[in-house]
Amino acid sequence: DIQMTQSPSSLSAFVGDRVTFTCRASQSVSSSLNWYQQKPGKAPKLLIYAASSLQSGVPSRFSGSGSGTDFTVTISSLQPEDFATYYCQQSYSTPPTFGPGTKVDIK
Amino acid sequence: QVQLVESGGGVVQPGGSLRLSCAASGFTFSTYGMHWVRQAPGKGLEWVSFIHYDGSVKYCADSVKGRFTISRDNSKNTLYLQMNSLRAEDTAVYYCAKDYGSGNYYRFDYWGQGTLVTVSS
Repeated sequence: DIQMTQSPSSLSAFVGDRVTFTCRASQSVSSSLNWYQQKPGKAPKLLIYAASSLQSGVPSRFSGSGSGTDFTVTISSLQPEDFATYYCQQSYSTPPTFGPGTKVDIK
Repeated sequence: QVQLVESGGGVVQPGGSLRLSCAASGFTFSTYGMHWVRQAPGKGLEWVSFIHYDGSVKYCADSVKGRFTISRDNSKNTLYLQMNSLRAEDTAVYYCAKDYGSGNYYRFDYWGQGTLVTVSS
């Protein structure tokens, strides 16, 4: 199975900050990497697919990059509704696997 | 709009069985692959099982192999997960999730609200 790691595990930031967090795969997944946002008590929501494509309805302040084993999400200006946990997930092979998450909270 | 509504969760003793259902609406259910994904309390996400749009192909995680069975009834727009020989470590919120395509693309573009399964004596 492909193992996914994420860093940092948590971060604190102010509204308006530029925020970046990363995901690493234990082997190349090409661009088959998705990101999900999950708020407490809610289901995950697809944010970014194929490493850099924004899912319909996702604000343009989110962007994704990377390929192979290293991937990044950047939020250009953090908004109150962005405080959540973010999970990466590889869709390259079976079983699909998720990273442990990065929790973004208010500073 | 796409809606996925899970049901069937509850408290069950170790070794017991439970069947989860997921009622789908707002899209052509019979043309999309479907998944179950779970999340233990306070933990991350774990993919459980997948079924092809027509039910012809199924995959499941090693952790549930031989105990859980995924199925679907396209005439009822419903996805199922039959869970047998339940263990304490199966305690989790179980989400059904729609795949973006007919096969196992593993892009989960819509999720249900989840149903909690608690395995405890």
